[in-house]
Amino acid sequence: DTQLTQSPSFLSESVGDRVTITCRASQGISGYLAWYQQKPGKAPKLLIYAASTLQSGVPSRFSGSGSGTEFTLTISSLQPEDFATYYCQQLNTYPVTFGQGTRLEIK
Amino acid sequence: EVQLVESGGGLVQPGGSLRLSCAASGFTFSDHYMEWVRQAPGKGLEWVGRTRNKAKSYTTEYAASVKGRFTISRDDSKNSLYLQMNSLKTEDTAVYYCARVILVPNTYSYMDVWGKGTTVTVSS
Repeated sequence: DTQLTQSPSFLSESVGDRVTITCRASQGISGYLAWYQQKPGKAPKLLIYAASTLQSGVPSRFSGSGSGTEFTLTISSLQPEDFATYYCQQLNTYPVTFGQGTRLEIK
Repeated sequence: EVQLVESGGGLVQPGGSLRLSCAASGFTFSDHYMEWVRQAPGKGLEWVGRTRNKAKSYTTEYAASVKGRFTISRDDSKNSLYLQMNSLKTEDTAVYYCARVILVPNTYSYMDVWGKGTTVTVSS
């Protein structure tokens, strides 16, 4: 199985801060990497697919980069509505796997 | 509006069975692969399995944790996806989401539409 390790697992940041979350894969996954945002009691929401493509309707302060085994999600200037849990996901091989999540809280 | 609505969750005893449904609307359901993902209380997301479309003979894939106990099926005439869960264990307690898959062969794949989820509780 392809394991995804996110770092950090927890972040405490302020509105306006720049945030970077890293996702490392145990083997190469090409561009089959997506990022999701989840708020408590809600379904995940797609932010980024193909490692760096912004989903329609997602604010441009979100960006993704990386290839192979190392990927990043960056939020350029945190807004109050961005405080949530973020997951990376690989769809290169079965089983599809998710990172353990990064919880982003307001400082 | 593109929408997925899950139903069928509830309380079931260990060893019991439950069938979840996912009703799709607003898009051509038959074109798409579909997936089930679950989330245990306070935990992260766990992929359950996938069904491909008719062009790929409706073949399925499962997570090791549910293989042999869960069965994914679909009825394209009803725009519906199903998850038959047998031999349920307490560790199957979770919110179950269905999701639409976008797949561009040899390029990328992702889940772009999710339902709100249905809760399954396995307890005596």
